[in-house]
Amino acid sequence: NAGVTQTPKFQVLKTGQSMTLQCAQDMNHNSMYWYRQDPGMGLRLIYYSASEGTTDKGEVPNGYNVSRLNKREFSLRLESAAPSQTSVYFCASSEARRKGETQYFGPGTRLLVL
Amino acid sequence: GDSVTQMEGPVTLSEEAFLTINCTYTATGYPSLFWYVQYPGEGLQLLLKATKADDKGSNKGFEATYRKETTSFHLEKGSVQVSDSAVYFCALRDAGNMLTFGGGTRLMVKP
Repeated sequence: NAGVTQTPKFQVLKTGQSMTLQCAQDMNHNSMYWYRQDPGMGLRLIYYSASEGTTDKGEVPNGYNVSRLNKREFSLRLESAAPSQTSVYFCASSEARRKGETQYFGPGTRLLVL
Repeated sequence: GDSVTQMEGPVTLSEEAFLTINCTYTATGYPSLFWYVQYPGEGLQLLLKATKADDKGSNKGFEATYRKETTSFHLEKGSVQVSDSAVYFCALRDAGNMLTFGGGTRLMVKP
């Protein structure tokens, strides 16, 4: 039981390049999330998927797109990377989007945009 | 909107010292409150949570009590260890089911 896995662990991009961050969970969770972590700002929600087949914007969705490929996988795409997107990206999952529900986090992807 | 405020770090303590990391929140309604811990190079792990007023969450010697009257959820531990060195995040989840994080507090424990 690997929990939440993310690939790649580290990536360097040039401005304007595109890439997709992959996330998978093996806990049969319904809800999945993408966050970015910036110094002193905690984590901010980019997009989430409450259930398979649905996606919704979070707090900072601009410049990103997501795909809930199936129940296990939720990918985040940067179509044209910008230096402001340099950050650490975390994927998370939870059984459902209930108030007290625990979210389980992946190890993160560190992205540097030059 | 909802917000979470944590004391700024880093917090540096000697082993076996008492730890308090302050956390206050602003939210409508009655949110659930969480403390997450992030060890170097790893993702966030749930440390403890409380879902209603006066609940006390506890785990691994850490405790936090949901205080509605002061809108606080301070993290405490009676005797810290070097292995507790990490970044600690306070978070809330409201009726809209969005998780809002504080900025994080780095704890450094010296032997």
